Amino acid sequence: DTGVSQDPRHKITKRGQNVTFRCDPISEHNRLYWYRQTLGQGPEFLTYFQNEAQLEKSRLLSDRFSAERPKGSFSTLEIQRTEQGDSAMYLCASSQGQPSGNTIYFGEGSWLTVV
Amino acid sequence: DQQVKQNSPSLSVQEGRISILNCDYTNSMFDYFLWYKKYPAEGPTFLISISSIKDKNEDGRFTVFLNKSAKHLSLHIVPSQPGDSAVYFCAARDMEYGNKLVFGAGTILRVKS
Repeated sequence: DTGVSQDPRHKITKRGQNVTFRCDPISEHNRLYWYRQTLGQGPEFLTYFQNEAQLEKSRLLSDRFSAERPKGSFSTLEIQRTEQGDSAMYLCASSQGQPSGNTIYFGEGSWLTVV
Repeated sequence: DQQVKQNSPSLSVQEGRISILNCDYTNSMFDYFLWYKKYPAEGPTFLISISSIKDKNEDGRFTVFLNKSAKHLSLHIVPSQPGDSAVYFCAARDMEYGNKLVFGAGTILRVKS
């Protein structure tokens, strides 16, 4: 399988706990994105990496959220002190750089439920 | 501020007929538009795209039309099949912000057999 891979697919956690999601992009894709989707809404942009550099962060990404992409390969998204409002599907996506990287490919998503 | 709007939350179509999904946008800086299809509990799957310099792109049963003056695009599926039943998201790329995509809220398509 050469698609975008996310782990875990589902996570249930108690409020106040920390959670971490991992994303493995399509190989040779140098751009990696994190999005969040809640019920009835489209995916919302969180942050974006080109190789290991985090180039943009949405204002949705509070200081409890941190993302890394060491060595420009896989990425992790950590949420500290989870709140019930963090319950959502967290989507990772990747694309090639310009000029051919117009299409962003998504993974299966990681469902987070905060109880 | 919703820059990409899909005003129809749902659409029901008979198998074999045409499905037309609509999308409106407000940001003139959008230079590339994509449609994604999503099944429950899965990530969005890329379907078809169109550059802002084109007005039509076709791929098999799927055709996307872009009307830049009206800031409107549409996805036509013909003939519609039951397997097309899913949520369809319109997305637009903001050329000022790299490859960041802005999504609409989605339209649920139900194809009845």
